[in-house]
Parts: sequence; C-alpha cells; structure tokens
Amino acid sequence: GESVGLHLPTLSVQEGDNSIINCAYSNSASDYFIWYKQESGKGPQFIIDIRSNMDKRQGQRVTVLLNKTVKHLSLQIAATQPGDSAVYFCAEIDSGGGADGLTFGKGTHLIIQP
Amino acid sequence: SQTIHQWPATLVQPVGSPLSLECTVEGTSNPNLYWYRQAAGRGLQLLFYSVGIGQISSEVPQNLSASRPQDRQFILSSKKLLLSDSGFYLCAWSVNQETQYFGPGTRLLVL
Repeated sequence: GESVGLHLPTLSVQEGDNSIINCAYSNSASDYFIWYKQESGKGPQFIIDIRSNMDKRQGQRVTVLLNKTVKHLSLQIAATQPGDSAVYFCAEIDSGGGADGLTFGKGTHLIIQP
Repeated sequence: SQTIHQWPATLVQPVGSPLSLECTVEGTSNPNLYWYRQAAGRGLQLLFYSVGIGQISSEVPQNLSASRPQDRQFILSSKKLLLSDSGFYLCAWSVNQETQYFGPGTRLLVL
C-alpha cells in the first residue's frame, strides 16, 4: 500500500533555533494529517493536525504546513527547547477509507544541542 | 477525559512462552482500538485493529493474535513467543477513524 516517508532520519539543531521536520506522502486521497511526538520509552503524543482543505495551521510554538501539489507536509517548531528532543512522526489518512486508520512515516529524530 | 492504560510496562519472557498484553480505555464508548509494534529505531507497524467487541482485523500474518472481550478492552496474545516478537507494543484508540491516541506502551524482550 501507499505509505508516508520522511526525508531525514535525524535532525540536529541548536537550542533556541527553529526546527523544520519534513514529510512526504504518496496517497493523493489522504485528507487528514497528524504530527506525533514520541519521547524515549513513551507512546506517541498528538501534537497538531491539519485537514486537506487547509495549507497552514498553528499551535503553541508549532506550525504545520501542507502542500498538496507536491504531497509534502512539514512541522515547524519555534525556539526549540531541550524538551523538544524526541522522534517526530507524520501520519496520514484517507477519511473515506477503512477503519485501519493512519499510515505512519518512519520518524525523524530531533536532537537539541545546547 | 479519556485515558488509555497498558500493562505490564515491561516484560521479559523466554522463547516459547505465552504472552498476554492488556489495554483498556476509559472515558469513551465504542472506540476503535489498535495494536502496533515498534522495533528499536523504527516506525509503527499496525498489527490489529478492532471496530467493536469480538471484531478483529489483522494487518500482517504473524505469531500473535488479538481479542476484544469488552468494549474498552483489547488484548494481544501469543501461544509461543519468538525472538522476533521482541519490541515496543503500543495500543491506541480513536472514535472517528482519524486521530489516534496512544497508550504508554509495553516493552517486550524475548530471550
């Protein structure tokens, strides 16, 4: 089946800088996208979502951008902090599809350097 | 508010032994339930999902099985564990087939 993949497995940024994590998806029928954060030894935690009728959505220190033309999704984290160190997964779903739910990317490990 | 529990948190089992991991959800009714496995440094692999009591769909052929004896209870089992069953097992729930919310996970080590 179609799947979601990430461009970079590891991203290292300086504390205080902005981070951008990228994601490519291949299912053109996907209409809902989520970013999850997974800290070591814990389950993934919902960060932010976006529907295909939007191209940008902002949360607290995070922004998700969606470019449906090139099937690209990104997560921007402003002023990264040590607590932002984690693996970030994008996930996508075709809401009209079955109950098997989300397709996850492999993840990007974000490392915050002091 | 909704919460999801998994236990045990960690488990070390010998090869060939049985397995039972439990997941329960509170604060919601008739959720979709999911079992995922995550190998070290890897993404999430969907193993099973359930849209209701007694309804189980398997995504990949494997040594594991799942059951849903109650609306908010999801169990992952094996009769005989293999070394390759080691991993981090995550349970998740959703109510609209979109956003999934994950439990804390169970780390299984098969020796």
